[in-house]
Amino acid sequence: QITLKESGPTLVKPTQTLTLTCTCSGFSLSATGEGVGWIRQPPGRALEWLALIYWDDDTRYSPSLRSRLAVTQDTSKNQVVLTMTNMDPVDTATYYCAHRRVDSNGYYWFDPWGQGTLVTVSS
Amino acid sequence: SYELTQPPSVSVSPGQTARITCSGDALPNQYAYWYQVKPGQAPVLVIYKDTERPSGIPERFSGSSSGTTVTLTIIGVQAGDEADYYCRSADSSVTYDVFGGGTKLSVL
Repeated sequence: QITLKESGPTLVKPTQTLTLTCTCSGFSLSATGEGVGWIRQPPGRALEWLALIYWDDDTRYSPSLRSRLAVTQDTSKNQVVLTMTNMDPVDTATYYCAHRRVDSNGYYWFDPWGQGTLVTVSS
Repeated sequence: SYELTQPPSVSVSPGQTARITCSGDALPNQYAYWYQVKPGQAPVLVIYKDTERPSGIPERFSGSSSGTTVTLTIIGVQAGDEADYYCRSADSSVTYDVFGGGTKLSVL
């Protein structure tokens, strides 16, 4: 059974850097084809795709947030880390990590997702 | 930047059929995926690759595609289907993903 769990601060101040960890179980981050995505949802608003990291450390980022985001992984701990710099109140959201499930043709979808962690940006 | 467009809301009575659309210029060439989001819960995949249904998702849920629009159809809507539904796809260059704005399904 694949599970993911997000952890990190619940409150950060404006201009600070957010670091969130996604601890994965039931699959190995280093296995060919595996990957983890990050998605967020501000209160009352839509899901927003942030980033994706592949088993080979290749990454993809949202064009609008690319300059502020970084995703890395520690395969020894089976964890993925999301870093977002220069946090602003508009970044207040529930942040999710999700398993990237892929088929033989390379098409992928996110399943399952972690429960999410609410991060509030406020002074 | 690439966008997927969904209606903000859809309302149906129990037992009726709900249809939620998602439009995007790249959809003729990119698959769409649908997620159900209930308050306080993690999103759940209900349709992948336009029309495929994951195991555990009721047969009442189906997906279809026509040109630049994909549609999530729920037959025999139940009160428990009330949720926000989001489509997700990739831009034409497949360098990043995008979610639609979400559709709130209300079961009257």
